[in-house]
Amino acid sequence: GAVVSQHPSRVICKSGTSVKIECRSLDFQATTMFWYRQFPKQSLMLMATSNEGSKATYEQGVEKDKFLINHASLTLSTLTVTSAHPEDSSFYICSAGGGKANEKLFFGSGTQLSVL
Amino acid sequence: KNEVEQSPQNLTAQEGEFITINCSYSVGISALHWLQQHPGGGIVSLFMLSSGKKKHGRLIATINIQEKHSSLHITASHPRDSAVYICAGTMNYGGSQGNLIFGKGTKLSVKP
Repeated sequence: GAVVSQHPSRVICKSGTSVKIECRSLDFQATTMFWYRQFPKQSLMLMATSNEGSKATYEQGVEKDKFLINHASLTLSTLTVTSAHPEDSSFYICSAGGGKANEKLFFGSGTQLSVL
Repeated sequence: KNEVEQSPQNLTAQEGEFITINCSYSVGISALHWLQQHPGGGIVSLFMLSSGKKKHGRLIATINIQEKHSSLHITASHPRDSAVYICAGTMNYGGSQGNLIFGKGTKLSVKP
């Protein structure tokens, strides 16, 4: 099956710093990537949809200036948490697909962010 | 009330037992996904189905569109099956996988 690589797997940072998370599709071209957030014992929540070469579409309640998404190529999308605060501590995970309905889902391994 | 409900929330089984995890949804969906989330957080897609039944190894997934219900079965369970199992539905009006609604997951622990 397709492989999606996410890096880093874990990051601890001080409040006020910015953190970049990378999501790469290793063996296919992902026109669309999705960024999710998961709090402990909660469902995955979609944050934004990242389309190659265009601006990301953010879900209601997600601050686009805080969570910067860049999808500059068909194999790489990045999520940057700017000026991180302790309440941003969460598990972030990406998934990739060709953008068609009902495609099988391919997820990255996730990033556990802890903001001190 | 969550639009996608899973039961049970937690499940402990002995190795070898037959396991069933249920998923009910209250909205129109075009496909239902079963996902496996390992303790480290990584997620693997197990099944995507819109009707009937699919089987892969010891895993079987079924869906009943009329009843808006799906089940995931694990035969001859093994400790390595211990994980969180998540069902997710693709909303009917959606044009991409972004329109997914996730259940909260079922945490399965299989004891040797």
